[in-house]
Amino acid sequence: DAKTTQPPSMDCAEGRAANLPCNHSTISGNEYVYWYRQIHSQGPQYIIHGLKNNETNEMASLIITEDRKSSTLILPHATLRDTAVYYCIVRVYGGATNKLIFGTGTLLAVQP
Amino acid sequence: NAGVTQTPKFRVLKTGQSMTLLCAQDMNHEYMYWYRQDPGMGLRLIHYSVGEGTTAKGEVPDGYNVSRLKKQNFLLGLESAAPSQTSVYFCASRPQGISDTQYFGPGTRLTVL
Repeated sequence: DAKTTQPPSMDCAEGRAANLPCNHSTISGNEYVYWYRQIHSQGPQYIIHGLKNNETNEMASLIITEDRKSSTLILPHATLRDTAVYYCIVRVYGGATNKLIFGTGTLLAVQP
Repeated sequence: NAGVTQTPKFRVLKTGQSMTLLCAQDMNHEYMYWYRQDPGMGLRLIHYSVGEGTTAKGEVPDGYNVSRLKKQNFLLGLESAAPSQTSVYFCASRPQGISDTQYFGPGTRLTVL
């Protein structure tokens, strides 16, 4: 699975959009980009995933650059409850072992 | 649906004691996983199961055993606990198929003295 690079921490004002970047310059053609988050002391929570098209669900939007070497997770209206560590993971779709390599992620602090 | 539940939430053991952590899921998922998370580190896979009656080793299996006697339950056992096993343990499950979306439990915080 390709390696990802994320900033260690970011701040965002409550009610504003939070844009979390992820670099995955060695991504291969059959690898998807996944985003999970982990609120303090809780289990990780799936947010969204994509291959090459932009994706949106009820939680967030995922923008993947045309060359697929980087992506941005967008939380459109951040709330205090969105304070968490956000993990960007790149992996081949499917497979029984399905080991998720979480790395150290980005700590997003939403400020009131 | 309760999703993925873990029992117990907290536990303190003395070195050499044994215990079993229980993970239960009510989503009829085929695949189940046990991870551990240590301060400042990501999750590391201990063992996993691709179906009832099957188990396999992950990245850090030493000192742990697992069993999947029923599809909905995945047990993680520590036969002789060591201080190095102090960690937060997370269980996860996912359905069979190509999706990699895993659903995680709330975690068990284990301290070994």
